[in-house]
Amino acid sequence: SQQGEEDPQALSIQEGENATMNCSYKTSINNLQWYRQNSGRGLVHLILIRSNEREKHSGRLRVTLDTSKKSSSLLITASRAADTASYFCAQTGNTGGFKTIFGAGTRLFVKA
Amino acid sequence: GAGVSQSPRYKVAKRGQDVALRCDPISGHVSLFWYQQALGQGPEFLTYFQNEAQLDKSGLPSDRFFAERPEGSVSTLKIQRTQQEDSAVYLCASSATSGGYNEQFFGPGTRLTVL
Repeated sequence: SQQGEEDPQALSIQEGENATMNCSYKTSINNLQWYRQNSGRGLVHLILIRSNEREKHSGRLRVTLDTSKKSSSLLITASRAADTASYFCAQTGNTGGFKTIFGAGTRLFVKA
Repeated sequence: GAGVSQSPRYKVAKRGQDVALRCDPISGHVSLFWYQQALGQGPEFLTYFQNEAQLDKSGLPSDRFFAERPEGSVSTLKIQRTQQEDSAVYLCASSATSGGYNEQFFGPGTRLTVL
């Protein structure tokens, strides 16, 4: 399998709480992206962070990148029931730059 | 079109049949990716096109899998002599720039079931 690693595999929280998902990777990267997938649908791009960036914000999303630990985290603040979905990190390497490796995903369930 | 489209959305094939899956990327997008997604897993990279050139096919699981993008727009993923382990959702994505350096726009996928 080419999959990267994410944890937790599943997360259940109450509406209004924050959700944190983590992603680890093995090789040097050009960038790391986070995607959301609602049940039975295609993936939607959320945010991209480049290897020379450490933190990025977009609305209620905050992404951090630690290249020394080869890890990234996605924080969703003030979660809503509509945030219920699977979240995937995806990494593109420095060499070649074509193959994008996705993690196995974190399944987030936000209870109203 | 407004986004990436794929057809058919669902395909049921008997083991041993050949199938062809179509992807219409966003007009003008240079890059096109194919992924295979098993139930409960993340997408796995199959192949990459930059315009009409297939620059990376390292993820194709066997020589039964073949992809083409002859005019640099529409792409077809063909699977010959389908096997049960080919059952999965096949996702297509396109990107405005070359390589995987920027946002990829995904289609809804084709769910293939091999009986």
